[in-house]
Amino acid sequence: DVKVTQSSRYLVKRTGEKVFLECVQDMDHENMFWYRQDPGLGLRLIYFSYDVKMKEKGDIPEGYSVSREKKERFSLILESASTNQTSMYLCASSLNFPSGTPTDTQYFGPGTRLTVL
Amino acid sequence: GQQVMQIPQYQHVQEGEDFTTYCNSSTTLSNIQWYKQRPGGHPVFLIQLVKSGEVKKQKRLTFQFGEAKKNSSLHITATQTTDVGTYFCAGHGTASKLTFGTGTRLQVTL
Repeated sequence: DVKVTQSSRYLVKRTGEKVFLECVQDMDHENMFWYRQDPGLGLRLIYFSYDVKMKEKGDIPEGYSVSREKKERFSLILESASTNQTSMYLCASSLNFPSGTPTDTQYFGPGTRLTVL
Repeated sequence: GQQVMQIPQYQHVQEGEDFTTYCNSSTTLSNIQWYKQRPGGHPVFLIQLVKSGEVKKQKRLTFQFGEAKKNSSLHITATQTTDVGTYFCAGHGTASKLTFGTGTRLQVTL
């Protein structure tokens, strides 16, 4: 079974702090994703990565950055946390795909509920 | 950009009643996936549909992909309390990334 783990289930930070959310997958998946989930808005893609050191902006990248130094690890960074970044953050991974071919299933981690005070 | 909407946003049914959630995309999709998220849990893949007009069944769940490949539906027959959760559709448009719908939260009571 694919296992995607996230560093924390719950996190409380103060406005202006730098926040690191870590995600690790154990199935050698090329693609990794960061989403945030808010009521009524579904899952919105922040950033994704299809290879080590590669990253692509998703739909809502503002205020976030990412790092993928190793294939199994994808980090989401909030440079200066703000209250509107209070949310559930979900990491996912999937197998690679040739250009133009739909990806395989996404496997999600348990999520990190971040509260910014 | 591509948008995927789901209706209803929330539905409360009595156990044994049927339930349907509808998924509509602003653009044509190459495929549609459905995920279920239990309360307090994370989304888990249920199924993928690829062909225009395709219908697939998983026990009491019936999934359909529209002829124009811009909409999809999930129908649950005779709901049970174990069906409680949020159901998301997700589709690939022209871009390679998956766009998730807004989700439908299902509550089932005895």
